[in-house]
Amino acid sequence: EIVLTQSPVTLSLSPGERATLSCRASQSVSSNYLAWFQQKPGQAPRLLIFGASNRATGIPDTFSGSGSGTDFILTISRLEPEDFAVYYCQQYGSSPYTFGQGTKLEIK
Amino acid sequence: QLQLQESRPGLVKPSETLSLTCTVSGGSISSSTYFWGWIRQPPGKGLEWIGSGSYSGSTYYNPSLENRVTISVDTSKNQFSLWLTSVTAADTAVYYCAELTPRVPTTWGQGTLVTVSS
Repeated sequence: EIVLTQSPVTLSLSPGERATLSCRASQSVSSNYLAWFQQKPGQAPRLLIFGASNRATGIPDTFSGSGSGTDFILTISRLEPEDFAVYYCQQYGSSPYTFGQGTKLEIK
Repeated sequence: QLQLQESRPGLVKPSETLSLTCTVSGGSISSSTYFWGWIRQPPGKGLEWIGSGSYSGSTYYNPSLENRVTISVDTSKNQFSLWLTSVTAADTAVYYCAELTPRVPTTWGQGTLVTVSS
């Protein structure tokens, strides 16, 4: 089973700043099948990025994903108030598909 | 636009079987491009992959749950279902159904809280 470790656990930033979230895999993610999700309280997760760097439908270009192999990054170039939430990475290249433990992005 | 809605079983007793149904609207569950999955989230914790299935009968389960879980797809009702046997308090969670295209959860249901308690 591939273990995904996200860092930091909590990230405190202000609106307008740039956010960089990390996801490290315990072994290489097949075909870079790595996704990022955003979850707000009381809501289902929303797909942001798939295939490590492809934005899902309707996701603004302030969100970008990068990386390959075992190290992946989600970047939010300029934080809006609605971007403060919990972010999860997920690998879907090897069964069982696994999620990271999440990074909470909070307002500083 | 595809929409998914989980049923609401609410409370399940320990050792019993949890049964959930996800109703798909705005698209056909028989589409060959789709797999259908279940993911859960214990209160205040992270996400756990349960498994997935297709209309053709293919299924994939998390090995940690494999001896207790069954996923099936009912094309006549445009629904898919989850059964989890011998539940304990550790199975208390919000359960989400999702469309996978083909592996990544693209569209999610709103989630339903299942509590295991006597």
